[in-house]
Amino acid sequence: ILNVEQSPQSLHVQEGDSTNFTCSFPSSNFYALHWYRWETAKSPEALFVMTLNGDEKKKGRISATLNTKEGYSYLYIKGSQPEDSATYLCAFKAGNMLTFGGGTRLMVKP
Amino acid sequence: DAGVTQSPTHLIKTRGQQVTLRCSPKSGHDTVSWYQQALGQGPQFIFQYYEEEERQRGNFPDRFSGHQFPNYSSELNVNALLLGDSALYLCASSLLSLQFNEQFFGPGTRLTVL
Repeated sequence: ILNVEQSPQSLHVQEGDSTNFTCSFPSSNFYALHWYRWETAKSPEALFVMTLNGDEKKKGRISATLNTKEGYSYLYIKGSQPEDSATYLCAFKAGNMLTFGGGTRLMVKP
Repeated sequence: DAGVTQSPTHLIKTRGQQVTLRCSPKSGHDTVSWYQQALGQGPQFIFQYYEEEERQRGNFPDRFSGHQFPNYSSELNVNALLLGDSALYLCASSLLSLQFNEQFFGPGTRLTVL
């Protein structure tokens, strides 16, 4: 059974704060790591697919880094806005399946 | 493009009953995966269908079965429902030929078992 863990479980920040959270995953047999953003009552939305050690990807104020040798990925949000409030999920791809972490729930207060 | 759609959005059943959930994949996608998300946890992989066959299965009992139709839509069936089957069921579609097989999710079906 693959172990994918995310920390923290939840995070409350003020509008304008920058924040980051962690996803840890098995460092052997790495294929890809996916990040999703999931707003309440909506579908999970793909943010990034990370595939190479040292990968850095950016989408607006959100960026992610990948370290496959030590088995972790960081997601950063610069200048958080209330609309960033969501659950952020990482998922380790092994074979045909995604193994998800428990998610980090971000609440941004205006 | 409607994206991935699922029906129904909510469902209430009693223990021992059977349920069928439905999923239509994103246009152009040929692969459907099903996930169960229990409260407070990340989604857990149930199984994946491609070319009307189950390709891979997660750690779920045989009470969970599925089907994929020639138009790539899919059904998830759960027999002999237990209270613990109460969860959000997510469907995701993808295109098998794409290298990293990015999955697009539907909004889910909320199943409550009483």
